[in-house]
Amino acid sequence: SQQGEEDPQALSIQEGENATMNCSYKTSINNLQWYRQNSGRGLVHLILIRSNEREKHSGRLRVTLDTSKKSSSLLITASRAADTASYFCATDLQGAQKLVFGQGTRLTINP
Amino acid sequence: DAGVIQSPRHEVTEMGQEVTLRCKPISGHNSLFWYRQTMMRGLELLIYFNNNVPIDDSGMPEDRFSAKMPNASFSTLKIQPSEPRDSAVYFCASSLGSPLHFGNGTRLTVT
Repeated sequence: SQQGEEDPQALSIQEGENATMNCSYKTSINNLQWYRQNSGRGLVHLILIRSNEREKHSGRLRVTLDTSKKSSSLLITASRAADTASYFCATDLQGAQKLVFGQGTRLTINP
Repeated sequence: DAGVIQSPRHEVTEMGQEVTLRCKPISGHNSLFWYRQTMMRGLELLIYFNNNVPIDDSGMPEDRFSAKMPNASFSTLKIQPSEPRDSAVYFCASSLGSPLHFGNGTRLTVT
């Protein structure tokens, strides 16, 4: 079964609004990463947060991590049409190099 | 930097035929990953290599699948014989630690 599960599966908002996506996972991790996938393309890394960090920012992105609840959230502020994509969280099982991806959230930004 | 290069971009083949997918990782990266993406199962890790050596192939579906990395700049994923249920997008990714850098995938259709 998937290590990470995103919520919601799909999200549609108006341009300019904020978008929040959540990820839950099952086992202890070293870090959690978020990736974006545009239609027909490979995944692109957005941000990495380590298990000893609680919050991280990168431009319009804000990621939080709550290891006690085994959950993370990705906030995109002031959304743009170009943010339309699928967003995936990925976790590395402690001691293992491989990344396990969730099912993703499909985000649509309406102009 | 050209990024991770995969070929072909699209492959249509008949059931029973052999299929070979190719990947050129980013120069200097020492890890290479093969993922498969379908609507039903999401992104699944098939196999990964460190320094050209297969480390974990537990995700390879069955003996019909095989992967090789003869040198640091080339990897192949072979399916023989192919079946309709193998239809998916196959991604190759490389890394030097974190994060992963993905190619744009090969869309495989087996009829």
